[in-house]
Amino acid sequence: QKEVEQDPGPLSVPEGAIVSLNCTYSNSAFQYFMWYRQYSRKGPELLMYTYSSGNKEDGRFTAQVDKSSKYISLFIRDSQPSDSATYLCAMSRNTGTASKLTFGTGTRLQVTL
Amino acid sequence: DVKVTQSSRYLVKRTGEKVFLECVQDMDHENMFWYRQDPGLGLRLIYFSYDVKMKEKGDIPEGYSVSREKKERFSLILESASTNQTSMYLCASSPGQSETQYFGPGTRLLVL
Repeated sequence: QKEVEQDPGPLSVPEGAIVSLNCTYSNSAFQYFMWYRQYSRKGPELLMYTYSSGNKEDGRFTAQVDKSSKYISLFIRDSQPSDSATYLCAMSRNTGTASKLTFGTGTRLQVTL
Repeated sequence: DVKVTQSSRYLVKRTGEKVFLECVQDMDHENMFWYRQDPGLGLRLIYFSYDVKMKEKGDIPEGYSVSREKKERFSLILESASTNQTSMYLCASSPGQSETQYFGPGTRLLVL
């Protein structure tokens, strides 16, 4: 079983829809949770970063962490065609030196006109 | 703005060749990472470095080596390229004990 599970999609939604992207994980030591967006043939870019449980909002994006359920979510409101990309969740334990990230395999999102 | 650059966007090499992938970051970050990304497998860590001349193995170091002679530069070396090393290679950097990593644009390597 992988440490981090993520549905690969593709997920296709109409413009303006609310999108929910999710990851589950098995390692309760994870404390830091991130979402990256990766456009086709580009490197991942950091979207959201949260520590421990709770919500964080940034514009149309909301990240949610539920450590008791080992479940994290990214919500995108008023989705736009420019949101079409692969979304990767990532998490780490913070071991004191360079923190290693464990990634989900990514969910491909397509927002249609 | 953090900038991580990689020497090539696309590379085609022959089996058995020695391959060098270069990564440079301009934000004075202590930590640098090399990943490969394959469909269905996601990003897998090959090697990372938390200081000049320091390196640690990631999850899949076999067939690879790295070099970090200067803080801003981290090189990935394929000593003898094989077809199963055809992949997208991503370099990343992060400051100090920060969790957040910043990625370069990637190098698509094809080994024939």
